[in-house]
Amino acid sequence: DAGITQSPRHKVTETGTPVTLRCHQTENHRYMYWYRQDPGHGLRLIHYSYGVKDTDKGEVSDGYSVSRSKTEDFLLTLESATSSQTSVYFCAISGQGGQPQHFGDGTRLSIL
Amino acid sequence: ELKVEQNPLFLSMQEGKNYTIYCNYSTTSDRLYWYRQDPGKSLESLFVLLSNGAVKQEGRLMASLDTKARLSTLHITAAVHDLSATYFCAVELFSNKLIFGTGTLLAVQP
Repeated sequence: DAGITQSPRHKVTETGTPVTLRCHQTENHRYMYWYRQDPGHGLRLIHYSYGVKDTDKGEVSDGYSVSRSKTEDFLLTLESATSSQTSVYFCAISGQGGQPQHFGDGTRLSIL
Repeated sequence: ELKVEQNPLFLSMQEGKNYTIYCNYSTTSDRLYWYRQDPGKSLESLFVLLSNGAVKQEGRLMASLDTKARLSTLHITAAVHDLSATYFCAVELFSNKLIFGTGTLLAVQP
């Protein structure tokens, strides 16, 4: 299995609080991604990174920011969480085009 | 707007039967992936299709890609209960970005 660790695995927090999710990889892969999964929507890309300090927006980036200061770590931050951001968040990694993305175990985030 | 549409969204089938899941997409791409997800679990890569006419098989599952028709199929042969899961197709864009379909929930009944 690809070495991807997401933390925390579960989190419950209140509206308006900041939240940071961490994705850590041991594969030295160039590309890292954050998705959210909601019923009826499949997986939707939030942000992705193609190298250290190189990030770009996905299709549902509003309300989220990311940072990648090291190859192995990709952080997703909700600056002021809202109930609409309650979801399951997956991190994924890939080495290059034509290779499948490998996914972490997910973080279940509930915002009350 | 890029769309990746799967159908059916839900499939209930009996063990031993055959069926096909369809994945249509609206942009030019030569790369398509199929994933499986069990309830409460992560996504597992099943197939990587990298060119027009590509066909991959693993056990009772076979995937194919027609880039001209912008269509991929996942064919299930003689279904067994262990194949019950949600199946996603995903189309690759630049920077290895994937756009996922909404998924097909497969329930195989004994």
